[in-house]
Amino acid sequence: DAKTTQPNSMESNEEEPVHLPCNHSTISGTDYIHWYRQLPSQGPEYVIHGLTSNVNNRMASLAIAEDRKSSTLILHRATLRDAAVYYCIQTGNNRLAFGKGNQVVVIP
Amino acid sequence: DAGVIQSPRHEVTEMGQEVTLRCKPISGHDYLFWYRQTMMRGLELLIYFNNNVPIDDSGMPEDRFSAKMPNASFSTLKIQPSEPRDSAVYFCASSPTTGTVGPGELFFGEGSRLTVL
Repeated sequence: DAKTTQPNSMESNEEEPVHLPCNHSTISGTDYIHWYRQLPSQGPEYVIHGLTSNVNNRMASLAIAEDRKSSTLILHRATLRDAAVYYCIQTGNNRLAFGKGNQVVVIP
Repeated sequence: DAGVIQSPRHEVTEMGQEVTLRCKPISGHDYLFWYRQTMMRGLELLIYFNNNVPIDDSGMPEDRFSAKMPNASFSTLKIQPSEPRDSAVYFCASSPTTGTVGPGELFFGEGSRLTVL
């Protein structure tokens, strides 16, 4: 499974934007970048995914570098409910291989 | 829609016993995935189905594990015999077919927490 690299953990202040980086230097032309998050004691939850262009939805924005070797998930205004483990996944097929993720702590 | 439904939510059993975990995917979804999560290994993909057919079972740890999908609305993951190292949270997820490469949005159930003593 293709590997992505994320920080182990990050802190963010409530009501401020959060930028979550992800490196995927082995990405190929048909690989998508998927982001999921997992709140405590729950199953993972879809956040966003993209191929080349930046993507926006009601939850977040995904900024993909021009060379596609990295991307950034942007939470525009962190709330306490956004405290979770965030997973960045690179895949060109139906296998979504979750790594250890990035534990995001939101400070009130 | 009720979402992906898993049962049981919690199971405690003794080593050597058979364990059966159940999953009802979201109606209309063509893909079904079984994952296992532990502190040590994180979230691992065990197997996935497309239109009830197993496509990739390379993540199934060993012959003690088996998964079936007899119809579009039901899947089971069976462990026989169970061992303490099988203790984990087992998640089922389903996804619709999309027109793009790769799966659509995966919808996860709440998981089945298994403890093998």
